Amino acid sequence: AQSVTQLGSHVSVSEGALVLLRCNYSSSVPPYLFWYVQYPNQGLQLLLKYTSAATLVKGINGFEAEFKKSETSFHLTKPSAHMSDAAEYFCAVGGNAGKSTFGDGTTLTVKP
Amino acid sequence: DTAVSQTPKYLVTQMGNDKSIKCEQNLGHDTMYWYKQDSKKFLKIMFSYNNKELIINETVPNRFSPKSPDKAHLNLHINSLELGDSAVYFCASSLMGTSGHGGELFFGEGSRLTVL
Repeated sequence: AQSVTQLGSHVSVSEGALVLLRCNYSSSVPPYLFWYVQYPNQGLQLLLKYTSAATLVKGINGFEAEFKKSETSFHLTKPSAHMSDAAEYFCAVGGNAGKSTFGDGTTLTVKP
Repeated sequence: DTAVSQTPKYLVTQMGNDKSIKCEQNLGHDTMYWYKQDSKKFLKIMFSYNNKELIINETVPNRFSPKSPDKAHLNLHINSLELGDSAVYFCASSLMGTSGHGGELFFGEGSRLTVL
């Protein structure tokens, strides 16, 4: 069975500050891990994915995530937040038959 | 040219009615999904079709019936709508191939269903 825990349902940062969104996973097999972003009234779009290649994964919009097997973590970071980063962020673990399990989401607020 | 498109974007209807949502993808993917997002933004998978064959059927009331006429289309029909069915329904697609893993999901913009 797979599960995803996103620590912190709401994260607020100032513009220009570091963004850190936490994700821990549980998977019985080597995981496929994803971060998705959802802007208001839109569908989810892929930010980045880990598929057992490099442990540090770079994505769109300056985001990156590091896979740490020992910590079962896949935290998302961005060095400098921009107002346009305000959105809902979902961590997900991919499973067999395409069954992705999503975390509960983290709402990122960026203050001017 | 939208990759995953679903219609309608908004549905407002009365309890007891029947409604359908349609989805089409032009990405050449072999797997399509329906997800439900509730008011707290929790995402839950409902169904998945791989090459028109149902492969995921989560614990969903049988009032919900998916249909996949071909690999590029997946529809969702809901009978006897209830207040609790109000949510945003997302269609998604992915390329599974022979790996058995769905890979990254490509989502439509969602269909917001409001049951009064």
